Amino acid sequence: EIHLVESGGAFVQPGGSLRLSCGASGFDFNTYDMNWVRQAPGKGLEWVSVISGGADATDYADSVRGRFVISRDRSRNTLYLQMNILRAEDTAIYYCAKESGSRNFPMNHWGRGTLVTVSS
Amino acid sequence: EIVLTQSPGTLSMSPGERATLSCRASQSFNSRYLAWYQQKPGQAPRLLIYGPSTRATGIPDRFSGSGSGTDFTLTISSLEPEDFAVYYCQQYDSSPRTFGQGTTVDIK
Repeated sequence: EIHLVESGGAFVQPGGSLRLSCGASGFDFNTYDMNWVRQAPGKGLEWVSVISGGADATDYADSVRGRFVISRDRSRNTLYLQMNILRAEDTAIYYCAKESGSRNFPMNHWGRGTLVTVSS
Repeated sequence: EIVLTQSPGTLSMSPGERATLSCRASQSFNSRYLAWYQQKPGQAPRLLIYGPSTRATGIPDRFSGSGSGTDFTLTISSLEPEDFAVYYCQQYDSSPRTFGQGTTVDIK
């Protein structure tokens, strides 16, 4: 069975940094593209970032480009999101999601999310 | 950026009724890269339909998707109590990947 478990969410001040992790199990982690998607309180879904299975390609939403960095550790089966220069508008539940293939596939498995709160 | 606009914002329905949800894109894209997700309160989203008419694993056949170009539709043929939720469309054809704002299907 496929499991995705996010961690690292916390309360942080504006301008601060945080690293989210997503532990993956139950599938060949190196084969599938992985995403981060966020949801602000009471709002809709916002795609944040994607990384290819081989970690050779990444992409970001304009709202986080230059501040967030997605990465993956193949030996640890873990996805990361390094979040820098955090803003109040980054407050959200952050979900990691696995695509059903590599390069432009739908997200067929999701974690339960981790909450990031940015506030002074 | 492809903007997806979902309508209506809220659909008030009764169990057994047919629900039709719309997703309209600001520009045409390859329908192969359109997906629908369902989200219930306190839960992560779940993939329902992709490509734009293929049901994901375990999704009952009362859910169907259609469309091409800029206009896409999710249809629930006969609403079950567990179908009352928020539904999102998403395109993953071009960067940035975008979601619609969601349609809430609630009980009338």
